[in-house]
Amino acid sequence: GENVEQHPSTLSVQEGDSAVIKCTYSDSASNYFPWYKQELGKRPQLIIDIRSNVGEKKDQRIAVTLNKTAKHFSLHITETQPEDSAVYFCAASRWTNAGKSTFGDGTTLTVKP
Amino acid sequence: GAVVSQHPSWVICKSGTSVKIECRSLDFQATTMFWYRQFPKQSLMLMATSNEGSKATYEQGVEKDKFLINHASLTLSTLTVTSAHPEDSSFYICSAVTSGMRYDEQFFGPGTRLTVL
Repeated sequence: GENVEQHPSTLSVQEGDSAVIKCTYSDSASNYFPWYKQELGKRPQLIIDIRSNVGEKKDQRIAVTLNKTAKHFSLHITETQPEDSAVYFCAASRWTNAGKSTFGDGTTLTVKP
Repeated sequence: GAVVSQHPSWVICKSGTSVKIECRSLDFQATTMFWYRQFPKQSLMLMATSNEGSKATYEQGVEKDKFLINHASLTLSTLTVTSAHPEDSSFYICSAVTSGMRYDEQFFGPGTRLTVL
């Protein structure tokens, strides 16, 4: 089955700096890679996603890059703000599995004011 | 749109009792629902995949007789934790997908915090 590894497990940055979280996956058939933000005790919220036919996607301060050959993808947050502090999860899935995803272990991001 | 609710949001029960958690898609029909368990400071672990009108598919290591899943309609799936024990205490989250929208995206419920005394 799919195996997703996420690094780092914790990340602390100063407000205004950039944050980068990296994930690798094992199943070359995976073709959908979402990123979720989860605040304590709440549901995961999709913040950005990328499909395997695209190498990069950007939405304001958030961007995701995908390297299919190397089987890794990254989340980039620029101009970080204290409200970006949360746990971030990457995931990988095949659309033929009707949305069944394998999640990374999560990264706790702390943005210091 | 694409709202998923869960009930209850939290529950405390005695060891040995059973607890039922409901997951509803409020404004769309969910062809598939997923049940996850999340222990503190850990990732979401998929427990089972639930398809309307058919038996759930359980992940390896998840006891199907302990975690009963019923997906009776396109808007409701239930998870029953039978004979709950303290080690079952966790955050249970459901999600729903539908082929009618973006095929890949999961919509998560708000989660249910289960505490077994």
